[in-house]
Amino acid sequence: SSELTQDPAVSVALGQTVRITCQGDSLRSYYASWYQQKPGQAPVLVIYDKNRPSGIPDRFSGSSSGSTTSLTITGAQAEDEADYYCNSRDSSGHHVLFGGGTKLTVL
Amino acid sequence: QVQLVESGGGVVQPGRSLKLSCAASGFTFNSFAMHWVRQAPGKGLEWVALISFDGSIRYYVDSVKGRFTISRDTSRNTLDLQMNSLRPEDTAMYFCAKDLFRETTSNYMDVWGKGTTVTVSS
Repeated sequence: SSELTQDPAVSVALGQTVRITCQGDSLRSYYASWYQQKPGQAPVLVIYDKNRPSGIPDRFSGSSSGSTTSLTITGAQAEDEADYYCNSRDSSGHHVLFGGGTKLTVL
Repeated sequence: QVQLVESGGGVVQPGRSLKLSCAASGFTFNSFAMHWVRQAPGKGLEWVALISFDGSIRYYVDSVKGRFTISRDTSRNTLDLQMNSLRPEDTAMYFCAKDLFRETTSNYMDVWGKGTTVTVSS
C-alpha cells in the first residue's frame, strides 16, 4: 500500500491525554515524522521517529508498532488544537507520503 | 536564524508555466536535501518533490513527474521548482522545506517556509 491513514478528527479534554494514530504498510520499513499545522501557518515538525526537535514541549511523544505509528500528547493544552499530519517514505523509499491529517480539538 | 522564503506564485492559465523559488538562509544550504510540499485549499499536505544535498537525486510524486523540475543553485542558496503544463488540480499553497539531517535524504522536514500560492485557472 502507498497510503498513510489517519482519523479525520479527534477531540480531547483540556489536560487529558490523546493519541493520534497513522497506519500504513510502509511504516513497517520506515520511520515516521509528525507535523502540527495551525490555520494559516506552515507545518511544524513535532516528532521524528521517537524524537522531539528542540523547542517542542515534552508532552509530545511518538511511538510505533508494526504498521501503526502514534503521536501522544500527555496533558493537552489549548494551544495544541491544530491539524496533525504523519509522514513516511513509501515502499520504494523514493517518495514521501503524508497522511490525510487529523484535526485535534481541545475541549 | 534559519529561514526559507518562497516566491514566484500567482495566477496562471491551464497549460502555462510558472517557476517557484525558495531563498534559504542561516544554514549550510549545500549540505541538506530540500523538499517541495503543497496544500490545496482546505486539503491536506502533499509531498511534491525532493532534491538531495548535492543535486544528484531528484524524486517526484507521480502526478507531477514529467511536468515539474526541482533544482538547486548553491551559488544563490536557492531552491527552484519549474512547473510546466499546469493543471487546475495543481492549485495549492507550495511550501519548501529543509531536510533534518546533513548529507542524507529523509522524510523529516525541520524548517518550512510560509509558502507561495499558485492558482491555475482560465
